Amino acid sequence: AQSVTQLDSHVSVSEGTPVLLRCNYSSSYSPSLFWYVQHPNKGLQLLLKYTSAATLVKGINGFEAEFKKSETSFHLTKPSAHMSDAAEYFCVVPARVAGTYKYIFGTGTRLKVLA
Amino acid sequence: DSGVTQTPKHLITATGQRVTLRCSPRSGDLSVYWYQQSLDQGLQFLIQYYNGEERAKGNILERFSAQQFPDLHSELNLSSLELGDSALYFCASSVAEWGDIQYFGAGTRLSVL
Repeated sequence: AQSVTQLDSHVSVSEGTPVLLRCNYSSSYSPSLFWYVQHPNKGLQLLLKYTSAATLVKGINGFEAEFKKSETSFHLTKPSAHMSDAAEYFCVVPARVAGTYKYIFGTGTRLKVLA
Repeated sequence: DSGVTQTPKHLITATGQRVTLRCSPRSGDLSVYWYQQSLDQGLQFLIQYYNGEERAKGNILERFSAQQFPDLHSELNLSSLELGDSALYFCASSVAEWGDIQYFGAGTRLSVL
């Protein structure tokens, strides 16, 4: 069965320090994987997408993620956090579940950026 | 701006009532998805339509129904509303039937009093 686990529900970093948001997936084959961001009272916005073309994926706003098949991970990173990065982040994998195709969302990681 | 339009932005109603939420997908997108987001349940997938036909069902209650019209806009109908139905309801659209990037609307905030 395919699934996605976000290992931290909350992450706090100081402005200007690196960000690491962790995501592990379970899949019987190399999947597509997405990271979305949701700012308060807003809809979700795509940060980046992995499609097997390259293991290191660059997204918007300086974020990037590395697909590691051996570790079944797709962690999201940013070298230097900005106050505007404070939001909730979701790792998502398309999956086949009980004969139908769905998107499996992680439970989300809320990022807090301290001044 | 994602190109996905949801109306209304806010809806306040009473228990037992019925409401309709509307979604216009991005131009050219054939798939529409509905999600419910609440503090206690997180983000829950409700239902997906592709080119007018139901494709996948998630945790959608029997009191809820949806449809996608020939012009590809979609409506989510919520009836016999309960306090617990208060949530943000998102619509998303994508070009393909599955596996593609989803573009999310800004959501409809439903408050059931």
